[in-house]
Amino acid sequence: AQSVTQLDSQVPVFEEAPVELRCNYSSSVSVYLFWYVQYPNQGLQLLLKYLSGSTLVKGINGFEAEFNKSQTSFHLRKPSVHISDTAEYFCAVRRRSGGYQKVTFGTGTKLQVIP
Amino acid sequence: DVKVTQSSRYLVKRTGEKVFLECVQDMDHENMFWYRQDPGLGLRLIYFSYDVKMKEKGDIPEGYSVSREKKERFSLILESASTNQTSMYLCASSLWGTSGTGELFFGEGSRLTVL
Repeated sequence: AQSVTQLDSQVPVFEEAPVELRCNYSSSVSVYLFWYVQYPNQGLQLLLKYLSGSTLVKGINGFEAEFNKSQTSFHLRKPSVHISDTAEYFCAVRRRSGGYQKVTFGTGTKLQVIP
Repeated sequence: DVKVTQSSRYLVKRTGEKVFLECVQDMDHENMFWYRQDPGLGLRLIYFSYDVKMKEKGDIPEGYSVSREKKERFSLILESASTNQTSMYLCASSLWGTSGTGELFFGEGSRLTVL
């Protein structure tokens, strides 16, 4: 079984300040890791993904995430946020092998950028 | 670009009505999914399909059924809608196996209100 924990349901941050959205996962096997973003009244779109190799992954819109295997974390960061980053962010995991690979989502973190 | 289209963005139905939610993808993906999104609960998998006429239950299949008669189309059916099925419904598709990492491509969602 696998699970994803996003401890922060809401994160308010001032414009141009840095932000970190936290994600921890649990799985008995190796996984792929994803961050998705959902803008108001839209579906989800992929922000970035970790498959293998470098543990620092860069995504769209200036976001990056770091995979930490020992801490089973995949935190999302941006050095300077914009108003347009206001959205809900979902961390997700999928095991690498073994039949259908179910994607498990966290409960989401709402990022509110304050002007 | 992959496009996943959900036929209705907003629906209002009455308790006991039969509801059809349609989803079409244009990238020849084998896998298609229906998720339900509720505040504080993240995304929960209702059903998925890995091939035409094939379907598998997700985490919360009760009260729902699905149909996949063609590869590009995946329908979610509420046989008798109830108020606790008021929610946002998201359709997604992905490639299968080693040809894909399980990255999900989402539609814009269908917000269903059951009165």
